[in-house]
Parts: sequence; C-alpha cells; structure tokens
Amino acid sequence: SQTIHQWPATLVQPVGSPLSLECTVEGTSNPNLYWYRQAAGRGLQLLFYSVGIGQISSEVPQNLSASRPQDRQFILSSKKLLLSDSGFYLCAWSLGIIETQYFGPGTRLLVL
Amino acid sequence: AQSVSQHNHHVILSEAASLELGCNYSYGGTVNLFWYVQYPGQHLQLLLKYFSGDPLVKGIKGFEAEFIKSKFSFNLRKPSVQWSDTAEYFCAVKLTSGTYKYIFGTGTRLKVLA
Repeated sequence: SQTIHQWPATLVQPVGSPLSLECTVEGTSNPNLYWYRQAAGRGLQLLFYSVGIGQISSEVPQNLSASRPQDRQFILSSKKLLLSDSGFYLCAWSLGIIETQYFGPGTRLLVL
Repeated sequence: AQSVSQHNHHVILSEAASLELGCNYSYGGTVNLFWYVQYPGQHLQLLLKYFSGDPLVKGIKGFEAEFIKSKFSFNLRKPSVQWSDTAEYFCAVKLTSGTYKYIFGTGTRLKVLA
C-alpha cells in the first residue's frame, strides 16, 4: 500500500533562517505531488504541484520554492524565512489527472 | 478564478442531531468533488467523492453528499451525528479540464456535544 511521509513534524526557526521540508511517497510510481499551507479559517492554500521530476508549478508567489529531485520526493524550501511563513504545511499525492489526493501528516512550522 | 465556498465556518451540534454542511463552487465545466475530514491530531483523509453517475454519494461513517449541478453545490449530510464526528471538514473541487489542481474550501469546524 502507499504511504506518504513528511518531516520534520514540528519545526521552530528564527526569521531569516533557511528552510527545507521533505515529503516522500512509498508504494507508487509517477505520483503527482503537492504542497499546501493550511491556516486557521483559510482552508488549504495550494503552494506548488509537480507532475514529474524537475517539473514544478507555482501557485502563490512568495519566498518559498519547491523541488522534485526524485520521482517520489518533494522538497519545500526557503532561503530566508519570514514571520508570515509560520503555518501547517501539508504534502499530498495523487495519480493521473482524475484521482483522489492523499495527504501526509503535515509539518507545523513556527517562525520566531 | 475558480473558488469553493463553505459558508458554515463553525457548527455546534448535540449528539443525534442531523448535519448538513454547505459547499458551493464556481466553475461551469465538469468537476470532480470531494469531502475531506481532519479529526483532531490526525491526517486529512477522504470522506467521500463524486466523479460521475449517481449524484448522491455515500462515504464512510454514515456520511453522504448530493451533487446538484444546477446549484453548483455538493452538500455533506449525516442524519445523526456522534461525538466522534467532531472534526474539521473540507470540500474540494478538481477541474477535469486538463489541470492537476484541486481547490479547497476554507473548512467547517464541527463540534458535537455529548
């Protein structure tokens, strides 16, 4: 069966520091991968998605970036964190173009 | 731009009460529709989905939703809620016209009082 992992589970970082959140999927090939940010009362905001290695689509211009170095690995990064980057970050995967999304456990990021 | 509206942000019910959570979307084409649930401390998980066919779909734990195309709605229902249904519920829409994007509503926090 397929599983999705995210780490770390919780992260506290100072303003201006770099960020790297990792997401990996097991048990499937060629998944579509997604990064969302979940904020209270604002639902899930799509940040990036990828349909293949090296292919990244950005939905929200900000100081975050994403990369997909391997088929089942999706990384969310920042060179310099802002206070407004605090939030709950979710990774998700799906197959094909008409399929259910499956979510990881999330990473709670607090920028101080 | 496409959007999904969930008008009830917070709902409080007593056990055994009936539940209906509204979801409306703004897109005129063919869509796939989803309800996801996030129980406290757990992953976001699929509750039910509609792709085609019977507009009344049944999901896990006694939930159902009805797709009404003319109203652009996909409301979630449960005849009798339980304390364990306390969670946050998200409606999502997936456009079928060549995009991989899913659009989520802002969520509804349901609290069921024992």
